[in-house]
Amino acid sequence: GQSLEQPSEVTAVEGAIVQINCTYQTSGFYGLSWYQQHDGGAPTFLSYNALDGLEETGRFSSFLSRSDSYGYLLLQELQMKDSASYFCAVSPGANNLFFGTGTRLTVIP
Amino acid sequence: GAGVSQTPSNKVTEKGKYVELRCDPISGHTALYWYRQSLGQGPEFLIYFQGTGAADDSGLPNDRFFAVRPEGSVSTLKIQRTERGDSAVYLCASSLRGGGRIEGSYNEQFFGPGTRLTVL
Repeated sequence: GQSLEQPSEVTAVEGAIVQINCTYQTSGFYGLSWYQQHDGGAPTFLSYNALDGLEETGRFSSFLSRSDSYGYLLLQELQMKDSASYFCAVSPGANNLFFGTGTRLTVIP
Repeated sequence: GAGVSQTPSNKVTEKGKYVELRCDPISGHTALYWYRQSLGQGPEFLIYFQGTGAADDSGLPNDRFFAVRPEGSVSTLKIQRTERGDSAVYLCASSLRGGGRIEGSYNEQFFGPGTRLTVL
């Protein structure tokens, strides 16, 4: 089976940097993804790591260490609109995603 | 361009009734996925279609749940004899092709807005 752990809530100040950690256990591993979901909205893709290292996409970066079964999402220059839930998700096979329970990020002025 | 659409946006039904939830994927996307999401939880995988066939239905919770995609585009999730525990947001996603990894690049899933199902 699969399990993922991420903090349930994080609060950060506008303009700051925040890191959301994710540890996972999975029987198979193709990669680790990150999705953002605003209240009442659909999940939207942010980033994906199949190999160890850092992937950067604008203000968002994602890191993966397969040997540690660990990854994180880094959000820089936080904006109020970044307040949302952030999910890490493993791909245990080629065809599906297994999501964590999500981290609710609140950005305060 | 148009994204993934789902209808209805909200569905209220009574315990024991039958419901159908519809998903229109992005045009040209061959892969389609169904998830359900309960409050405070992440999306839970239900079933994956590649074209017309269900390539992976390991997430369907029991035989009351069934999904079809007869022409490889629109999909319908069908729930028989609904139970209160079926109440959730049902999300549909599509991707250009199946597989989480194609030649080193990620096959991003695009999600629809969901159908909120309430079973009274």
